[in-house]
Amino acid sequence: VQLVESGGGLVQPGGSLRLSCAASGFTFRSYWMSWVRQAPGKGLEWVAHIKQDGREKYHADSVKGRFTISRDNAKNSLYLQMDSLRAEDTAVYYCARAITGYFFDWGQGTLVTVSS
Amino acid sequence: EIVLTQSPATLSLSPGERATLSCRASQSVRNFLAWYQQKPGQAPSLLIYDASNRATGIPATFSGSGSGTDFTLTISSLEPEDFAVYYCQQRSDWPYTFGQGTKLEIK
Repeated sequence: VQLVESGGGLVQPGGSLRLSCAASGFTFRSYWMSWVRQAPGKGLEWVAHIKQDGREKYHADSVKGRFTISRDNAKNSLYLQMDSLRAEDTAVYYCARAITGYFFDWGQGTLVTVSS
Repeated sequence: EIVLTQSPATLSLSPGERATLSCRASQSVRNFLAWYQQKPGQAPSLLIYDASNRATGIPATFSGSGSGTDFTLTISSLEPEDFAVYYCQQRSDWPYTFGQGTKLEIK
């Protein structure tokens, strides 16, 4: 199993960013997938979760209405569209393969910094 | 939202000693609890799921127990590579939540 995130970087408050996660080594379309983030020096926070076919999505209240999780099973890819970014969204964002609600496999993470 | 409270915040032990980490839920999560290990600069990795099932490749020195609101992760004999931060996570109810972590450090 390999999960490789990309798309992080420095963005101004109010800006947008799209994170991607390239999956390999397993049948991507068969698994729920998630994003989990970790602010610098802080703990873990679940961000969003998407069902195998993309028809069910859940977002944490802290990002609801601003972030959108999506997937492209043909490309074995997971995405996180992040709009209206705030300083408190600064974190390492991890892509994770979820099985029965647990995060069995994680990518190496991509850092998002929201600052002017 | 279910709040998970981990204790202690920091645990200082020596290699070879036994470590006992606690996770308490604000309401019952049945047995739907996992433990993760995170080493500096690395992503977390799953150790235990459904309170007591070890993930693939996790040594038997790691064990989990508990149900309802009180859970324990035990490391029977600490190896140098076990010193890390440990998080619990519940999947009983949305949103999924994590504890704030216990840092296991070398004494």
